[in-house]
This record gives sequence, structure tokens and C-alpha cells, in this order.
Amino acid sequence: GAGVSQSPRYKVAKRGQDVALRCDPISGHVSLFWYQQALGQGPEFLTYFQNEAQLDKSGLPSDRFFAERPEGSVSTLKIQRTQQEDSAVYLCASSLAGRPNGNQPQHFGDGTRLSIL
Amino acid sequence: KQEVTQIPAALSVPEGENLVLNCSFTDSAIYNLQWFRQDPGKGLTSLLLIQSSQREQTSGRLNASLDKSSGRSTLYIAASQPGDSATYLCAVIPYNAGNNRKLIWGLGTSLAVNP
Repeated sequence: GAGVSQSPRYKVAKRGQDVALRCDPISGHVSLFWYQQALGQGPEFLTYFQNEAQLDKSGLPSDRFFAERPEGSVSTLKIQRTQQEDSAVYLCASSLAGRPNGNQPQHFGDGTRLSIL
Repeated sequence: KQEVTQIPAALSVPEGENLVLNCSFTDSAIYNLQWFRQDPGKGLTSLLLIQSSQREQTSGRLNASLDKSSGRSTLYIAASQPGDSATYLCAVIPYNAGNNRKLIWGLGTSLAVNP
């Protein structure tokens, strides 16, 4: 498809397990973002990639969270030793521009709903 | 620190009404402001993007305005339909974001349009 694709759509894991969430951005999009959205809240920024470079990871809540985009296309968000507070929807967005630009919207996937039991 | 506020938090209207959703932000130094729609269990759909140099954008029955100096944006929905029922979020990219164009979000307005 032409949009941002995320998989899986739903993930249930036991506390302490590791999980990996995948994002396929729109082809050719330079910028890729991960956001975390708790129930009833707006999305919160996690990390940002420009091609394969992770330029900002200031939003990652702990060192259990790790993201990569090794070839500048598909990105994976990994959460190690999951905790119940990690339960949220994880949204991926991509944007065509690679530099601060006023006219390039961010396009979002449908998200991965993560539930930690 | 940039903060985004949306009022009201929830809105219920009869079909056919024109309505206005409000968004305010504390720092006028922004690259742009985006309005998004989010349906339950779904991701975010970009509705309108207003650059900092623009005053408004229109798409179909939607019109978004931006008053950067006062830190306000409104989303106007004309002739509302039940299919417009969703949560509407606004978000800004702060000008001091550097190379990171992360969005700063409001909490959204939950809209219900009743047949």
C-alpha cells in the first residue's frame, strides 16, 4: 500500500518479555518518528530518524527502549523486559522532508496496541 | 516549553450543525500546525496543515485557521455528519526543534455527531 504500515496491529505479552514493533514508512520518506499514546492521551514523542541516523531519542522513557532503522527504511522499536506501564499504542509516522520544513505533514500508521499482562 | 490545549474535551451535536473546535499553544514560534482525526482503534489521519506563514487552509467541509500571534487555531466543520464522529487532535512543530520535527500534541476533542 501507499501508506505507513505497522505490525503487528495487536501484541499481548507477559511482563518481563521482550517485544519488537515494526514500521514500514512511505517509500522515499526521509524522516521517521515513533510516538507512544496512552489511553485518552495525545501521542508522546519517543524518537526520530533521518534516514538511518537516529537524531533524537530524548523521548525514550528508559534504556529498555531501543529503536533502529539500519537501512533508512523499515524501523523497529524494541522494548526489553516489558512492564505494565509500557501498555499503550505505539504510532509510527513518516515525512518526506529531512529538514525542518513548514509544509510537509507527518503521515501515521494505524499503530500497534501493546498490552502487557 | 510548548504546550498545546484543546477545548472542549468532548462535544456532542446533532447532524447538520456547523461546529468549531479550538486549539491553543503557548509559544508562537512554530513551523506549522496540523489537525488530525483519530477513529477508535485506528491511527491518525492528517486533515489540514497550516504553515506558520499562512492564515488558513480548507479541505472540503473543513476549514482551519491560524492566529500565530495569539497562539490559537480553530477547526471549523460545516454541515456535520455522523461520519465526522471521531477524536480531533491538533499538534504543532516548535520552531526550536532543530533537526527534529517532532509534534507537540493536544489531548484532543472527542466529537459525536448524532443522526
